[in-house]
Amino acid sequence: AQKVTQAQTEISVVEKEDVTLDCVYETRDTTYYLFWYKQPPSGELVFLIRRNSFDEQNEISGRYSWNFQKSTSSFNFTITASQVVDSAVYFCALQASGTYKYIFGTGTRLKVLA
Amino acid sequence: EAGVAQSPRYKIIEKRQSVAFWCNPISGHATLYWYQQILGQGPKLLIQFQNNGVVDDSQLPKDRFSAERLKGVDSTLKIQPAKLEDSAVYLCASSLGSGLVRADTQYFGPGTRLTVL
Repeated sequence: AQKVTQAQTEISVVEKEDVTLDCVYETRDTTYYLFWYKQPPSGELVFLIRRNSFDEQNEISGRYSWNFQKSTSSFNFTITASQVVDSAVYFCALQASGTYKYIFGTGTRLKVLA
Repeated sequence: EAGVAQSPRYKIIEKRQSVAFWCNPISGHATLYWYQQILGQGPKLLIQFQNNGVVDDSQLPKDRFSAERLKGVDSTLKIQPAKLEDSAVYLCASSLGSGLVRADTQYFGPGTRLTVL
């Protein structure tokens, strides 16, 4: 069975703090893809990153960074120096092998307080 | 490049009424998805189209929900009759879905927030 777990339901931080959002996945496939999306209050899911199972190199994009570790089946997302505009619900997703189907986690609500 | 368009953005109806949602995907995207997102949960796939054919509708409640994508571009999702538990955000997404690309990033529209009273 394929599954994505985001154990943190809600996180509150003060602006400029660093915050890490956890994502743990389960799959028996050797080839798979992992995604992070941001859902601001407006409701639209905004694509942030895609990572394939063969590439464990960490990625940094501005204040965002992602740590992919196959050994622990985790794909964690860190925001450095958080800002109020980062307040949103963040979803981790796994793309099922053989289809284009996504399996979403339940999301983590991040609140960044001024 | 224009994103995924959806309308209406909000809809309030009474139970047993009918409602329809419209989606226009990103130009050139062959694959279109409809998701239901209940408050506090992740999106749940209702139906997936590849061009104008259905790829996966295993989680679509077919007794009341229907969807079509007649010309392989725009799509409509209909609920008839609506129930209280259908209150949710309905998200449309599209992807290239060429069949040649293994990883296929989905791009989402703003969603339609449905309230059933």
